[in-house]
Amino acid sequence: AQKVTQAQTEISVVEKEDVTLDCVYETRDTTYYLFWYKQPPSGELVFLIRRNSFDEQNEISGRYSWNFQKSTSSFNFTITASQVVDSAVYFCALGGNNAGGTSYGKLTFGQGTILTVHP
Amino acid sequence: DTGVSQDPRHKITKRGQNVTFRCDPISEHNRLYWYRQTLGQGPEFLTYFQNEAQLEKSRLLSDRFSAERPKGSFSTLEIQRTEQGDSAMYLCASSSRTGTASYEQYFGPGTRLTVT
Repeated sequence: AQKVTQAQTEISVVEKEDVTLDCVYETRDTTYYLFWYKQPPSGELVFLIRRNSFDEQNEISGRYSWNFQKSTSSFNFTITASQVVDSAVYFCALGGNNAGGTSYGKLTFGQGTILTVHP
Repeated sequence: DTGVSQDPRHKITKRGQNVTFRCDPISEHNRLYWYRQTLGQGPEFLTYFQNEAQLEKSRLLSDRFSAERPKGSFSTLEIQRTEQGDSAMYLCASSSRTGTASYEQYFGPGTRLTVT
């Protein structure tokens, strides 16, 4: 079974601080995919990034960066110089690639981390 | 390119009534997913379509739930004899790839169901 754990329930920071959201996953699939989604107060889930398990290269996109470490089964997300508009619930998700079975891309989500950025 | 749309956005119903939700995916997407999200939790997978074929159903999907995607375009999710425990946000998502790999899914705004 697949499992995603986001141990941080809530994080509160002041604008311009850097913040890292943690994600730990469990899977038996040899190939898998990791995602981060943002859910702002409006409620609609917004796709941020997708990483393949065979590509551990970390990525920076503007103020966002991701640290994927297969050895520790972690896929952490950092926001640099946070802004009030970053306030949202952030979800880490795991998708399998079970070619022999039924894992047709369904995602297993963590419970989410509520990020509040104060002005 | 319009995103995923869902209708209605809100539904209040009395226990025991039937409800039906509609999802229109992004037009060229062949995969369509339904998830359920309760307060303070992440979305939970319910079912998945590739074109018009329903390929996977979660154990969460009891016999009271049925989903269709008759022409491989829009999908409907029906809940019969609603219970208070069915109160949740029902999310639809779509993606465009084939095969068994996971690709990014684009979500609609959701239908919030309240069962009184």
